[in-house]
Amino acid sequence: QKEVEQDPGPLSVPEGAIVSLNCTYSNSAFQYFMWYRQYSRKGPELLMYTYSSGNKEDGRFTAQVDKSSKYISLFIRDSQPSDSATYLCAMRQTGANNLFFGTGTRLTVIP
Amino acid sequence: NAGVMQNPRHLVRRRGQEARLRCSPMKGHSHVYWYRQLPEEGLKFMVYLQKENIIDESGMPKERFSAEFPKEGPSILRIQQVVRGDSAAYFCASSLSGADNEQFFGPGTRLTVL
Repeated sequence: QKEVEQDPGPLSVPEGAIVSLNCTYSNSAFQYFMWYRQYSRKGPELLMYTYSSGNKEDGRFTAQVDKSSKYISLFIRDSQPSDSATYLCAMRQTGANNLFFGTGTRLTVIP
Repeated sequence: NAGVMQNPRHLVRRRGQEARLRCSPMKGHSHVYWYRQLPEEGLKFMVYLQKENIIDESGMPKERFSAEFPKEGPSILRIQQVVRGDSAAYFCASSLSGADNEQFFGPGTRLTVL
């Protein structure tokens, strides 16, 4: 079983839609949760960084962590064509150096 | 305010040659991480270094791969005697300090082994 599971998609939505991206994980020791956005042939760009359970909002983006279910989500409101990219979830334990990544979900927002 | 720099962006090597990938961390960052992204797979941690020290190399293949982060200059990931299976995107990330800090990624080096 992989440490982090993420549906690879692809996911296509019309402009303005609400997008929901999700990851599940198996290691209950994970405490830090991140979402990265990766455009084609580019490096991952950090979008959201959260600790433990709860919600975090930043503009059109909301990250949710449910540690009891080992489930994290990223919501994108009013999606734009410029949001078209691959979204990677990542997580790690407290005091650990390395991040564990999902495989990424490819999102296309259609104008 | 330059971000993480990696070069070259693309590297082509024939089987058996050596590949050297370079990473300059963000200004003020002294912690460097290397990850490998194989096609259709997520990024996989390889190694974590501070200046002149390898802190965690638990993700590094036991043979042919090595990494360094000298006192002066960029961090280098070195792959000796490359094989086709080494073809991947190699990403470097840096952080201000160690664990529990945000990691910021470079644009990656895409290695193709012919």
